[in-house]
Amino acid sequence: AQSVTQLGSHVSVSEGALVLLRCNYSSSVPPYLFWYVQYPNQGLQLLLKYTSAATLVKGINGFEAEFKKSETSFHLTKPSAHMSDAAEYFCAVRNTGNQFYFGTGTSLTVIP
Amino acid sequence: GAGVSQSPRYKVAKRGQDVALRCDPISGHVSLFWYQQALGQGPEFLTYFQNEAQLDKSGLPSDRFFAERPEGSVSTLKIQRTQQEDSAVYLCASSLTGQGNQPQHFGDGTRLSIL
Repeated sequence: AQSVTQLGSHVSVSEGALVLLRCNYSSSVPPYLFWYVQYPNQGLQLLLKYTSAATLVKGINGFEAEFKKSETSFHLTKPSAHMSDAAEYFCAVRNTGNQFYFGTGTSLTVIP
Repeated sequence: GAGVSQSPRYKVAKRGQDVALRCDPISGHVSLFWYQQALGQGPEFLTYFQNEAQLDKSGLPSDRFFAERPEGSVSTLKIQRTQQEDSAVYLCASSLTGQGNQPQHFGDGTRLSIL
C-alpha cells in the first residue's frame, strides 16, 4: 500500500531563511509524487509534481523538490521564505491506479 | 468555469438529516474525486469517477454515503442520516485524464457541521 509521511507537523522559519519540509513515501514501484499548498478556507493548490522526467522538480512560487529514490524522499525546499508562504503543505503520492494518498500536512509559519 | 466549483461552501445540519454536496469540475475533465478532510488532517480519499462510472468507492465510510455523476460532469455527494462524526470539509477534485501523472485540481470545499 502507498503512504506518505511528513515529518514535523509544524515548522517555523524566519523571513528570508531556508524552508525545508520533509516527505517520505512508501511505494513498491516508482510513484507519482506531488506537493500541494492549502491556505485557510481554501482547497489545495498544486505546487509541483514528480513524474520521473527529472529528479529535481521546480514548482511555483520558488519552491522545488528533489526525488531521492535511495532515501524514498521528496523533500520540499525554498531558498528564502516569504511571509506569504505561511500555509499548510501536503505531500501526496498517486499509484498507478487512481488513488491519491496525502500526508497529514505540515503547517509553515514565517516569522517576520 | 476556470476551476472546480463546490456548493454550498458551508452547510450546517442537525444530526439525522440528509445532506447533498455539489461539485462542478473543470470542463472536459474526465476524472473526479471526493475527499474528506478532518480538522488538522490531510484529505482522505472517498470515491473516484471516470466520466459517469464510479470506479472506486472503497473510501466511503459507510452505506450512508453515496455519490453520483450521472452525466459525467457535475457530481453530488449525499450523506444520509448524518452523524456528528461526519463533520469535516469535503473536497472535490478533477483531473484531465485518468493517467497517474495528471495532477488533481481542487475546489475550495464544503465545510459540513453536524449539530
